[in-house]
Amino acid sequence: AQKITQTQPGMFVQEKEAVTLDCTYDTSDPSYGLFWYKQPSSGEMIFLIYQGSYDQQNATEGRYSLNFQKARKSANLVISASQLGDSAMYFCAMREGRGNRDDKIIFGKGTRLHILP
Amino acid sequence: DARVTQTPRHKVTEMGQEVTMRCQPILGHNTVFWYRQTMMQGLELLAYFRNRAPLDDSGMPKDRFSAEMPDATLATLKIQPSEPRDSAVYFCASGPLGGGNTGELFFGEGSRLTVL
Repeated sequence: AQKITQTQPGMFVQEKEAVTLDCTYDTSDPSYGLFWYKQPSSGEMIFLIYQGSYDQQNATEGRYSLNFQKARKSANLVISASQLGDSAMYFCAMREGRGNRDDKIIFGKGTRLHILP
Repeated sequence: DARVTQTPRHKVTEMGQEVTMRCQPILGHNTVFWYRQTMMQGLELLAYFRNRAPLDDSGMPKDRFSAEMPDATLATLKIQPSEPRDSAVYFCASGPLGGGNTGELFFGEGSRLTVL
């Protein structure tokens, strides 16, 4: 069963608008972490933001924020005031495991975001 | 500037040939992951190591893929024999997992494999 689901294969958004990229996850582990990575056309993978399952507040990093809804098992990425340079593939990922023992990190299939001028 | 180094960056080979991809993780990182990226499947986890010990390679086709970490500075992913369906970008990533770390991964630039 898919553990990380990104339902939007592609999105087109006008520059300066806010963007929400969806991510839902499935785990029975009470301790887990959620990540978003950006992959521009150059192919590199860039870490954007992290949310721990026990974190009380939603994570924020500059224009990025993570809308963490634990009961719904969703971890949507919000990009405020989008820019042309935000055009890229975005991956949601989850770390699950039992603390130090065997954490593994799995990724969703990604959402390709196009910012229109 | 510490980074994960992967070689080769590009590889074109013929079906049936052996392919070996190498990764030098960031010094001090205790966990190394191998992922395969395709358009259809996104980033699939193939295998990962903690302190050089293999923890899970259930994502790999066992009959043709093998992953090893002969020392702390080298991880290898081998395909023998290669098939056209193995064409993909293979990423190595390392990170300091456990001990309160978040699990942020540092990725190499990837090895783009084309099997003809």
